[in-house]
Amino acid sequence: GAGVSQSPSNKVTEKGKDVELRCDPISGHTALYWYRQRLGQGLEFLIYFQGNSAPDKSGLPSDRFSAERTGESVSTLTIQRTQQEDSAVYLCASSSRGQANYGYTFGSGTRLTVV
Amino acid sequence: ELKVEQNPLFLSMQEGKNYTIYCNYSTTSDRLYWYRQDPGKSLESLFVLLSNGAVKQEGRLMASLDTKARLSTLHITAAVHDLSATYFCAVGRRGTSYGKLTFGQGTILTVHP
Repeated sequence: GAGVSQSPSNKVTEKGKDVELRCDPISGHTALYWYRQRLGQGLEFLIYFQGNSAPDKSGLPSDRFSAERTGESVSTLTIQRTQQEDSAVYLCASSSRGQANYGYTFGSGTRLTVV
Repeated sequence: ELKVEQNPLFLSMQEGKNYTIYCNYSTTSDRLYWYRQDPGKSLESLFVLLSNGAVKQEGRLMASLDTKARLSTLHITAAVHDLSATYFCAVGRRGTSYGKLTFGQGTILTVHP
């Protein structure tokens, strides 16, 4: 697609439920990133995919968080047994390997609220 | 561990004035990005700086990179209200064109008439 697409744009969930967030990167972008942004804060790295492998998942905060990617396409970030501290905007970005000149393109994010 | 620090974190400017936002980072890198974020919106790429001494300009914004000092600056010239936003710098791992970016805390810029 023309840009990075994320869904849903907003999600309200009850504490303890599982949620799935989806990211559809720009077509042809081999690299995909997930970040978390808490209210009023900077971006916190979660995980990076190159193709469908994840060379760096050092930012996943706990084993309740997992992510997968199908080929060089859609990625889903799953949060199990959500907690209130998981409330944040989850941003996805994609880039093309070797195309650092163009930077990373971010999606509009999923605003997750855990009540 | 790479750390990225921006200052100031809050910047209130009058229209027409000049100011500079600083971005310091803790380990060697030659890959520095500046992003803009409007309230409730995602991040918009402003500049990509990939070598020591790189300088890029777009409108009233100019960014530079000094890899020896581990410092990037974002200079604002003759500020206008439309520049009000949060500005982030982000640093990537040296020698690669991919991989995670580490972000600064962001600088909230407000331009007053």
